[in-house]
Amino acid sequence: GQQLNQSPQSMFIQEGEDVSMNCTSSSIFNTWLWYKQDPGEGPVLLIALYKAGELTSNGRLTAQFGITRKDSFLNISASIPSDVGIYFCAGPQMRGATNKLIFGTGTLLAVQP
Amino acid sequence: DGGITQSPKYLFRKEGQNVTLSCEQNLNHDAMYWYRQDPGQGLRLIYYSQIVNDFQKGDIAEGYSVSREKKESFPLTVTSAQKNPTAFYLCASSIAGALRGYTFGSGTRLTVV
Repeated sequence: GQQLNQSPQSMFIQEGEDVSMNCTSSSIFNTWLWYKQDPGEGPVLLIALYKAGELTSNGRLTAQFGITRKDSFLNISASIPSDVGIYFCAGPQMRGATNKLIFGTGTLLAVQP
Repeated sequence: DGGITQSPKYLFRKEGQNVTLSCEQNLNHDAMYWYRQDPGQGLRLIYYSQIVNDFQKGDIAEGYSVSREKKESFPLTVTSAQKNPTAFYLCASSIAGALRGYTFGSGTRLTVV
């Protein structure tokens, strides 16, 4: 079945640094979603991408829908302590029950003040 | 404001007891989902429901049961058959197709002693 692999698994950075993470799949996705999960809370949608090549920003966050439709990237500029959390990519399953999202394995981000 | 509510936030139970986790949404979403998250891990799908009075098993349904008698409600029962029930449980909902992603609740942390 479809799987999403995220890298890196974890990142430990200093406040002010830029962050890059990516999500890859062996199959095509028509939509890419990026979520952030604060410690002890549910994930919250950050950015949604619907078109190959699309580049979308949300404040200090920028995400891109890969041209091959098999990958997506999330960048965070000038990180701050509240950026701490787990970042998940996700995309709708292409076969069977299309209501189901496939979630990536997550990237844990730690920011040291 | 519309949203999805999970209760309680923290739940403690003795081993061998069944326990029911509540999930209510007022977003008028057709589909609802239950995920399990273990420390430092990703999201694993337990059950999902695309419409009232219908639900399907996810990847780790053993030891769990659900019902969907109302559109707004999708309670999850963790039975005594679940071998390792201590975890963080997340409920989510979506419109049909999930192209706009899921809306998650804030989670219930279940500890079985």
